[in-house]
Amino acid sequence: KQEVTQIPAALSVPEGENLVLNCSFTDSAIYNLQWFRQDPGKGLTSLLLIQSSQREQTSGRLNASLDKSSGRSTLYIAASQPGDSATYLCAAPTSGTYKYIFGTGTRLKVLA
Amino acid sequence: NAGVTQTPKFQVLKTGQSMTLQCAQDMNHNSMYWYRQDPGMGLRLIYYSASEGTTDKGEVPNGYNVSRLNKREFSLRLESAAPSQTSVYFCASSYRLGGGGDTQYFGPGTRLTVL
Repeated sequence: KQEVTQIPAALSVPEGENLVLNCSFTDSAIYNLQWFRQDPGKGLTSLLLIQSSQREQTSGRLNASLDKSSGRSTLYIAASQPGDSATYLCAAPTSGTYKYIFGTGTRLKVLA
Repeated sequence: NAGVTQTPKFQVLKTGQSMTLQCAQDMNHNSMYWYRQDPGMGLRLIYYSASEGTTDKGEVPNGYNVSRLNKREFSLRLESAAPSQTSVYFCASSYRLGGGGDTQYFGPGTRLTVL
């Protein structure tokens, strides 16, 4: 059964810092992996989707990498801003399905 | 283009009452999902519908039923609500389930309290 873990659970950094959020998964037979952002009291917003054939995906200041062999994905945020403060979640499907398992997220606070 | 909409936004029920959560998307997506989010447990998939006319169980389907009314609408029904069903419920949709899969778009959520 797929298990998704995110470390750290919470992170506080000064504005301008580059940072890395980690996601690990136990079952590497996945079609893709997704990263989401959730603001307090809101729904999830998709940030990046990495297909299993890709090693990384970029959108603006965000870069996500995928290493299926080690069961890891990282989300890199460059030059962090207070507006980046949110909870970041990753989701990987159970092997051979599209039933996504979510991590419990990393709560990020960027201090001005 | 409203994306994914959910009604109601908030609901309080007494144990044993029933209710239906409504979800609609206007993006012509084929696949739709229902999740619940509980503190410390992340999001968990309740049911999903790969395409109109099909539904399948997710991780935590007990106590729930779903209906894919048409391509746009996917409802979640609690027949006899229990306090353990107190949660925030999210509906999501994606263009396709097959191939490499697609980005999921989420609604704003329904906050349900069962007393």
